Amino acid sequence: SYELTQPPSVSVSPGQTARITCSGDALPKQYAYWYQQKPGQAPVLVIYKDSERPSGIPERFSGSSSGTTVTLTISGVQAEDEADYYCQSADSSGTYMVFGGGTKLTVL
Amino acid sequence: EVQLVQSGAEVKKPGESLKISCKGSGYSFTSYWIGWVRQMPGKGLEWMGIIYPGDSDTRYSPSFQGQVTISADKSISTAYLQWSSLKASDTAMYYCARRDGDYVLGRWGQGTLVTVSS
Repeated sequence: SYELTQPPSVSVSPGQTARITCSGDALPKQYAYWYQQKPGQAPVLVIYKDSERPSGIPERFSGSSSGTTVTLTISGVQAEDEADYYCQSADSSGTYMVFGGGTKLTVL
Repeated sequence: EVQLVQSGAEVKKPGESLKISCKGSGYSFTSYWIGWVRQMPGKGLEWMGIIYPGDSDTRYSPSFQGQVTISADKSISTAYLQWSSLKASDTAMYYCARRDGDYVLGRWGQGTLVTVSS
């Protein structure tokens, strides 16, 4: 079955830039999406179609794509950005959706 | 305002059946796919499957095919996730979410916690 691979954890100090990667063979063909999940809350979409930002999401959140890897970048990280982040996409045929394993962002 | 409101927490015994719900409002319920996502305690998100309420076209993740049933009643704008015989390993938070285009899950319900314990 198709898999998306994320690092389990990323740590940054406040004000620094956090980069979270997601790798998958079908990413050159399918868009990626990023969700933020804080403890006890439902996930929230922060990036769609690789690099588009929904309304209401701060500009410090951005996304990019290169080959089989997509990256979520959080510039000027704030304490409130500490959360789990999940990438999501579809398999090459578009039949199944899949999530990455998630990355815990720790703000030191 | 678009809303997905899920049914309340459930505590069940192994072997029992269960059906949880997700009611959509503020939009045309029959025009958007509704997906279900599992999150086991302390674990990540897992896509279970998706249904198009307009014609009940349903797709399942291979991992969940045969384990659960996804359905919808468009007359009351509600999608369902059901089990015929629960196992302890079904203990998890279950989210419904609206597919807003391509494969993005743009709107999420608040989640339903299912606890299966003898």
